[in-house]
Amino acid sequence: EVQLLESGGGLVQPGGSLRLSCSASGFTFSNYAMSWVRQAPGKGLEWVSSIGSSGKNTYYADSVKGRFTISRDHSKNTVYLQMNSLRAEDTALYYCARTMHCDSWGQGTLVTVSS
Amino acid sequence: DVVMTQSPLSLPVTLGQPASISCRSSQSLIHSDGNTYLNWFQQRPGQSPRRLVYQVSNRGSGVPDRFSGSGSGTDFTLKISRVEAEDVGVYYCMQGTHWPRTFGGGTKVEIE
Repeated sequence: EVQLLESGGGLVQPGGSLRLSCSASGFTFSNYAMSWVRQAPGKGLEWVSSIGSSGKNTYYADSVKGRFTISRDHSKNTVYLQMNSLRAEDTALYYCARTMHCDSWGQGTLVTVSS
Repeated sequence: DVVMTQSPLSLPVTLGQPASISCRSSQSLIHSDGNTYLNWFQQRPGQSPRRLVYQVSNRGSGVPDRFSGSGSGTDFTLKISRVEAEDVGVYYCMQGTHWPRTFGGGTKVEIE
């Protein structure tokens, strides 16, 4: 069974940084691309970033380009989202999803950017 | 960016009756590899999204056959043949052909 477990969310001040982690199990992690999708409180889904299976290819939404970095560690079966220069509008539940077409999702980790 | 437009915004339905959600894209979703990467997701209240349909019409693992997807090019539809109480939630389409990936605004399905 595919399992994705996000962690690393929390309260951070504007301009601060956070690193989200997504630990994967139940499938051969190194064979799959991974994605991050966020959902602001009471709003719809917004794709944030994806990374190819090898880690070479990365993609970002314009809203986070230059501030967020996606990466992966195959030895730990984990994908990361390093978030810098955080803004109030980055406040959201951040989901990790398998593949670039989001075929399985985690439970999400909440990021709140507020002073 | 490809804009995904869903309608209606809200869909009150009667148990046992059919329901239909439309999703239109601002550009063709036919990929250079010949596939059309249009996905449908269900998000029940308080839960994570779940993919129901991929590549327009393929149901995901464990998805009941009352859900069906259809369409081509820029015009797509998700149909529920007979709505059940567990189908309440918000439904999203997402295109996986172009970068950046984009979602529709969502359609809230509720029981009348």
